[in-house]
Amino acid sequence: AQSVTQLDSQVPVFEEAPVELRCNYSSSVSVYLFWYVQYPNQGLQLLLKYLSGSTLVKGINGFEAEFNKSQTSFHLRKPSVHISDTAEYFCAVSENTGGFKTIFGAGTRLFVKA
Amino acid sequence: DTGVSQDPRHKITKRGQNVTFRCDPISEHNRLYWYRQTLGQGPEFLTYFQNEAQLEKSRLLSDRFSAERPKGSFSTLEIQRTEQGDSAMYLCASSSTWSGSRNEQFFGPGTRLTVL
Repeated sequence: AQSVTQLDSQVPVFEEAPVELRCNYSSSVSVYLFWYVQYPNQGLQLLLKYLSGSTLVKGINGFEAEFNKSQTSFHLRKPSVHISDTAEYFCAVSENTGGFKTIFGAGTRLFVKA
Repeated sequence: DTGVSQDPRHKITKRGQNVTFRCDPISEHNRLYWYRQTLGQGPEFLTYFQNEAQLEKSRLLSDRFSAERPKGSFSTLEIQRTEQGDSAMYLCASSSTWSGSRNEQFFGPGTRLTVL
């Protein structure tokens, strides 16, 4: 069975500082990995995804994530955050064996301070 | 707008009443998912359809919950005899079976249910 652990429930950071949101997963098969963002009172929006190939993936709004198979991690990073990045971020994993189920982490609340 | 839509956006009901939510997926998507999200948690899988077939239902889902997708397009989620513990955001998502999509799901805005 798959599982996802987001290691920080809240991350406060000052504007223009770098940020890393941590995500670890477990699975007995190969996986696809996703980061979604949820702004207040809005639906989930895909930030980026790892399917195969390069382990460094770039997404929208200047975010990127690195897939580390040996550490079963998929940490999300941004070199300089903006106030508008304040939101809830969810890491998710889906088996790439043709399965459909996607498991989400509990989320990390990013709070960007001026 | 051709995204996933959900109706209603908010529902307040009294304990014991039945409620029904609707989801309209992206038109060319044949996979449809229902999730439940409570405060401070990520979306929790409830059930999944491929076309009109309901292929899996979470073991966490009680018999009071039922979902349908009669013509492989829109879907409804019904909760019978609602309980206060059913209060949550109910999310719908859709995806394509096209190999390039890799199960990327597109989410609707959700229906927030409050059971008094």
